[in-house]
Formats: sequence, structure tokens, C-alpha cells
Amino acid sequence: SYVLTQPPSVSVAPGKTARITCGGNNIGSKSVHWYQQKPGQAPVLVMYYDSDRPSGIPERFSGSNSGNTATLTITRVEARDEADYYCQVWDISSAHWVFGGGTKLTVL
Amino acid sequence: EVQLVESGGGLVQPGGSLRLSCAASGFTFSDHYMDWVRQAPGKGLEWVGHIRNKANSYTTDYAASVRGRFTISRDDSKNSLFLQMNSLKTEDTAVYFCTRETTGFDCWGQGTLVTVSS
Repeated sequence: SYVLTQPPSVSVAPGKTARITCGGNNIGSKSVHWYQQKPGQAPVLVMYYDSDRPSGIPERFSGSNSGNTATLTITRVEARDEADYYCQVWDISSAHWVFGGGTKLTVL
Repeated sequence: EVQLVESGGGLVQPGGSLRLSCAASGFTFSDHYMDWVRQAPGKGLEWVGHIRNKANSYTTDYAASVRGRFTISRDDSKNSLFLQMNSLKTEDTAVYFCTRETTGFDCWGQGTLVTVSS
């Protein structure tokens, strides 16, 4: 089955740029979605189809996807961005949705 | 306002059964694929399965970990989604979320906790 690999944690100072990666075999050929989840809350879609932002998501959030790595980039990081982030793809070969293991973003 | 509200969670013994429900409002439920996602305590998100819409014959797909034990169904006349869980195991303990599948999962319920324990 298809596997998505995320770093368990990323730390960044306020105002700096955070990059959260999602690795998978030829992930560049798939569409990647990203979710933000804060403690005790349901996940929120923050990026879809690699680089499209849902309404209400700040422009500070952007996405890219190429080769074996997709990346969620958050510029001018704020304290409220501290959360767990998950990537997701549809694996057509198994007819499964697949989530990455999640990355805890800590704002120092 | 688009809203999903899960119910039916609780404590169940290993080997037991439980049926979760999800009430949808604020959108045309029948048009959409609907999914269940779960999250074990302190762990990440795990896709459980989905059911397609009528145009796609209400077909279903399931994660390997639940296939043969869990069944997803829907009642479009009542804007409701269901998850029938049989032969429950301790490792099924999790918060279960109902989600709408469009461009990704763009709407989530608040989740309902299922605890499998003796």
C-alpha cells in the first residue's frame, strides 16, 4: 500500500517560514491535500490539489508538489498556526485514501 | 451552514457491535461521497472508508484494518450517514469523524468517541 512520510515535528520562530514535507513514491503524480488539526478539534482542510487554498485560509499558506515530495509552506508564522498537519492522497491502485503520519508544528 | 453531527459512540466490549450515525445539513447530501475517518488517542488520522453517491451506485471502499467488520451505508432521504461496526477490537478505540469528500475532505463533524474495552 502507498505510504506517506512526514517529519514528526517542525519548529519555527514567529515571523519565520515553516516548511512541512510529505514524501511518497512519485507523489508528484498525485493530488495532495493538507489538513490542520488543533488539540481537541476536528481537522480543517488548508490546501487541496497541491496548491489551492480553501476560502478563509490565509495567503500565508501555500503548497507545492513535485517528484517524491509535497510541501506545505507557511510564511510569517503566527502562534495560532501551532497545530498538527497531515497530508493526504488518493491511492488509485488500492482505492484507499492515505494520510501521512502527521507533523506537529511548534511555534517557538 | 454546512454541518455534520456524529452520534452513537460509547463504551463497548471486545467482540461487540456499535452503529454510528452522522446527520448532515446545509448542503445537498445526496450529491456527495461521504467518508469516515478515525483517530486513536494520541495518534494520527486513519481513513476508515467511504460510500459514493447514487450516481456511482453507492459503492464502498474500506481500509484493510476494518474490511469485513465495518459497513458504511447512507440514507439520502434523511441526509444521514452510518457506520456499522461489528467484531470490535480494542484497537478500534478512537474518535470517529464523519467527513464530506469533495476537493479533499472539506467538512468534518466534531467526532464521536468509541471505546472498546472489557
